[in-house]
Amino acid sequence: DGGITQSPKYLFRKEGQNVTLSCEQNLNHDAMYWYRQDPGQGLRLIYYSQIVNDFQKGDIAEGYSVSREKKESFPLTVTSAQKNPTAFYLCASRWTSGGGFNEQFFGPGTRLTVL
Amino acid sequence: GDSVTQMEGPVTLSEEAFLTINCTYTATGYPSLFWYVQYPGEGLQLLLKATKADDKGSNKGFEATYRKETTSFHLEKGSVQVSDSAVYFCALSKLMNRDDKIIFGKGTRLHILP
Repeated sequence: DGGITQSPKYLFRKEGQNVTLSCEQNLNHDAMYWYRQDPGQGLRLIYYSQIVNDFQKGDIAEGYSVSREKKESFPLTVTSAQKNPTAFYLCASRWTSGGGFNEQFFGPGTRLTVL
Repeated sequence: GDSVTQMEGPVTLSEEAFLTINCTYTATGYPSLFWYVQYPGEGLQLLLKATKADDKGSNKGFEATYRKETTSFHLEKGSVQVSDSAVYFCALSKLMNRDDKIIFGKGTRLHILP
């Protein structure tokens, strides 16, 4: 089945540690995105990538880093510089070809808790 | 800049009631409009979409019509069920360009009482 997988589902981290969240898709989508969701809040864009080996900062990129070495994968690293990392993280992807807009497909999310 | 405004929740209704969740947008050009649904502890799922003015998106009994004159995309359902309890997000995106991305509203939490 095609889809987006995120792992792990739940992640605990001690303060001062970096942690990497995985996002993989087998939908052959060009673009991939990372969002952060806090309780009762909407989605805020962290980083996005339209093609391999290229990515752009979103609205809240500070304290985060990404890589896009393969089309299928877009891991997010939450660094120790992120002041308040406890949140629900969502990965999404979509096609960018076809001349029109295509909706984003979302993974199931990773809930990160900093202890 | 472009933005999406949704009615604040939570919205609490009894089963079989009529549902409306308001959504208005501000955007230049001709955006596509979406409704996503998020069930507890899960990611977002596309519920319906409309890509041009006067289009009606529909799915699972939900409907929304793209009204350019009022810049609105209100979500409606004639008879809600307990299983419709979730958070609903309205979103927009313009025709593709290198920096294209979706803009989401803050979400509206819906509680349906049996």
